[in-house]
Order: sequence, then C-alpha cells, then structure tokens
Amino acid sequence: AQRVTQPEKLLSVFKGAPVELKCNYSYSGSPELFWYVQYSRQRLQLLLRHISRESIKGFTADLNKGETSFHLKKPFAQEEDSAMYYCALKPGGSEKLVFGKGTKLTVNP
Amino acid sequence: NAGVMQNPRHLVRRRGQEARLRCSPMKGHSHVYWYRQLPEEGLKFMVYLQKENIIDESGMPKERFSAEFPKEGPSILRIQQVVRGDSAAYFCASRLDRGADTQYFGPGTRLTVL
Repeated sequence: AQRVTQPEKLLSVFKGAPVELKCNYSYSGSPELFWYVQYSRQRLQLLLRHISRESIKGFTADLNKGETSFHLKKPFAQEEDSAMYYCALKPGGSEKLVFGKGTKLTVNP
Repeated sequence: NAGVMQNPRHLVRRRGQEARLRCSPMKGHSHVYWYRQLPEEGLKFMVYLQKENIIDESGMPKERFSAEFPKEGPSILRIQQVVRGDSAAYFCASRLDRGADTQYFGPGTRLTVL
C-alpha cells in the first residue's frame, strides 16, 4: 500500500532560521514525489516535484530512495513561508496523488 | 484563466438529503480529479474522470457517491442520503492532458451535514 507520512503536525521556527519539513513514503515501485503548499485563504498549489530538481522560493527537496524520504528544506525561513505543506506521492502508472496529513509551518518574526 | 472553480464553497445539508458539488476545470483541461479531506487528515483521492468517462474510481465509497464529467458543463460529485461522516472539504483538481501532469486545485467545497 502507498502511504505518505509527515511526522510533524506543527513546526515553528524563527525568521532566518533553517527549516526542514519531513516526509517519508512507503511504496514498492518508483514514485513521483511532490510538495504542495497552501497559504492562508488560498488554494492548494504545487511547490515543487522531485523530477524537476529545482529550487522554488528557496525550497529544495531531495529524494532519498534508501531512506524513502523527500524532506523539504530551506536554509533561511521567511515569514511569508508560513503555510500548510503537504507531501504527495504519485504511484507509477497511476493518476492519483496520495497525500500526507500536512505540516503547518509558522515562521515567527 | 480563472483557475479551477468550485461551487458552492460551503454547503449545509441535513442527514438524508442529497449534496451536489460542482467543479469547473481550468480552460482547456479535460482531466478532473476529486479528493476528500476529513478533519485533521490529508487529502484522499476519490475519482478521476475525463470528459464523459470515469477512469479511476478506486477511492469512491461503494454506495451513495457518484461522479460525472459531461461533454458540456462542470463535473459533478453527487452524494445521496448524506450522513454526518460525509462532512468534509471536497477538492477538485484539473489537468491539461497526458503531456502535463500538474494538477491544479480548486478552493474546495466544505460540506457540513447536520
């Protein structure tokens, strides 16, 4: 069965501090992994995906197949990063996304 | 492009009534997905449709729930004889075509069953 685990429900950091949002997955095949973000009163939107290997808004995420993890990192958090972050997995050959429960990030001034 | 539209944004129903949730995909998008989010949970896949076809309904409850995406008009998620456990946020997402796999999400419909 496919599963995405985000162990932290809440994460609070100070502005300028590094931040890491954890994501672990369970899937026997080769997944596609994504991070979605939902800012206050806005809709869910794609932040980044592992196949692009890109940095968006200073965030990066590396797929670690050995540890089955896809942690989201940013070296210096900003107040505008405060949001709900969801890690999602797309099983091979499937169209659906499997989401974690989300982590609420608060960046304090 | 106005993005994925969902209406109503909030819907209140009494137990036993029917709920109809509408989703208008982004212009040119012919793939639609429905997800449900229960309180304190992540989004759970329900159904994937293309125009006039249900492609994957593996996440749909076996009874009372149905979905359609007609040739003209929005996609409809229909819940018959609602129960309190159906109270949730229902999200729709759309995608352009097979060459583009990014799903764009709507703002959601929050269903409350009294």
